[in-house]
Amino acid sequence: QKEVEQDPGPLSVPEGAIVSLNCTYSNSAFQYFMWYRQYSRKGPELLMYTYSSGNKEDGRFTAQVDKSSKYISLFIRDSQPSDSATYLCAINPGAQKLVFGQGTRLTINP
Amino acid sequence: DTGVSQDPRHKITKRGQNVTFRCDPISEHNRLYWYRQTLGQGPEFLTYFQNEAQLEKSRLLSNRFSAERPKGSFSTLEIQRTEQGDSAMYLCASSAPGGRYNEQFFGPGTRLTVL
Repeated sequence: QKEVEQDPGPLSVPEGAIVSLNCTYSNSAFQYFMWYRQYSRKGPELLMYTYSSGNKEDGRFTAQVDKSSKYISLFIRDSQPSDSATYLCAINPGAQKLVFGQGTRLTINP
Repeated sequence: DTGVSQDPRHKITKRGQNVTFRCDPISEHNRLYWYRQTLGQGPEFLTYFQNEAQLEKSRLLSNRFSAERPKGSFSTLEIQRTEQGDSAMYLCASSAPGGRYNEQFFGPGTRLTVL
């Protein structure tokens, strides 16, 4: 079983829609969860991180962790065409490396 | 620009040739990471340095791959006898000492195409 699994999409929604992106992870001991955004032909950039369970909000973005079901989510409100990118969930399994999901390619249509 | 830089941005080579990539981390970041990303996949960890010491290597890093960070600043990743399966984006990241969740800052990557 992969440590992190993510639906690769692609996902296409109209501008202004609420977007929900999700990942599942295998090890209940994981505590740090991150979302990276990657534009085409660029390196990933950190969007948000959360520790343990609960929600974290930053502007139009909300990250959510449900440790009981080992599920992490990223919600984007009032989506914009500039949000079109690949979104990668990542976990820090306690070592120095990050383990990434496959990435979900998102397109916001004007 | 004080971000992570990588050189070259693109490399096309013929199978069997050796290639070397360079990464310059954010100054004052003592940790440096190499990842590989193939099309439609997330980045996969290859190796990690703390200062000049290489502390972890993935089993993905075959004996044709070698990475160095001689003075604890920039790093190089060399691939010997390249194969078509080595075609990928090679990403470098760096992080600062301390910190609980290990925020890593990524460079733009080197895209390798092996013909």
